[in-house]
Amino acid sequence: DIVMTQTPLSLSVTPGQPASISCKSSQSLLHSDGKTYLYWYLQKPGQSPQLLIYEVSNRFSGVPDRFSGSGSGTDFTLKISRVEAEDVGVYYCMQSIQLPYTFGQGTKLEIK
Amino acid sequence: QVQLQESGPGLVKPSQTLSLTCTVSGGSISSGSYYWNWIRQPAGKGLEWIGRIYTSGSTNYNPSLKSRVTISADTSKNQFSLKLTSVTVADTAVYYCARGGRGIDPWGQGTLVTVSS
Repeated sequence: DIVMTQTPLSLSVTPGQPASISCKSSQSLLHSDGKTYLYWYLQKPGQSPQLLIYEVSNRFSGVPDRFSGSGSGTDFTLKISRVEAEDVGVYYCMQSIQLPYTFGQGTKLEIK
Repeated sequence: QVQLQESGPGLVKPSQTLSLTCTVSGGSISSGSYYWNWIRQPAGKGLEWIGRIYTSGSTNYNPSLKSRVTISADTSKNQFSLKLTSVTVADTAVYYCARGGRGIDPWGQGTLVTVSS
């Protein structure tokens, strides 16, 4: 299985400040079709996960532009340019280049 | 928009079979280039992908569960289902159904299944 490793596992951010989460995969997520199958999800407290970013850097419908994704190969980053109170929750990266799909351990974002 | 809703028993005895159904509304499970997933999350822990079924009916399962898992679909009811046999306390989790395509979204609200005698 591809192992997804997120850092940090938790972070506390002042509203209006930026935040960054790293995700590293044990194998390259670049497919021969040219796409990189790395996704970011946010699970808000008491809710189901929701898709934020697909294929490394594409914001899903309705996702605010303060969220951005970057990276290639095995190293990826989710950035929030200015954290808002509604951004609290657990962020997960996920790969779908190889079965079984696997998720990172999750990064818990709290507001200071 | 497409919505998913899980249903099934919230309590299952050890060694028995866990059976859940996901009802899809707002779209047909037999149309489009989508696949339909089951994912679970033990309390306070991360996400584990269980398996998926395509509109064609083909399936893929997580090898860690493969010998115990069956995912099937009933297109007439616009539902897909999960069966997990020989459950243990380690199978206690919130079970989600979700649509896959370009990423996995949307997800159902999840249903808690507790394995206990």
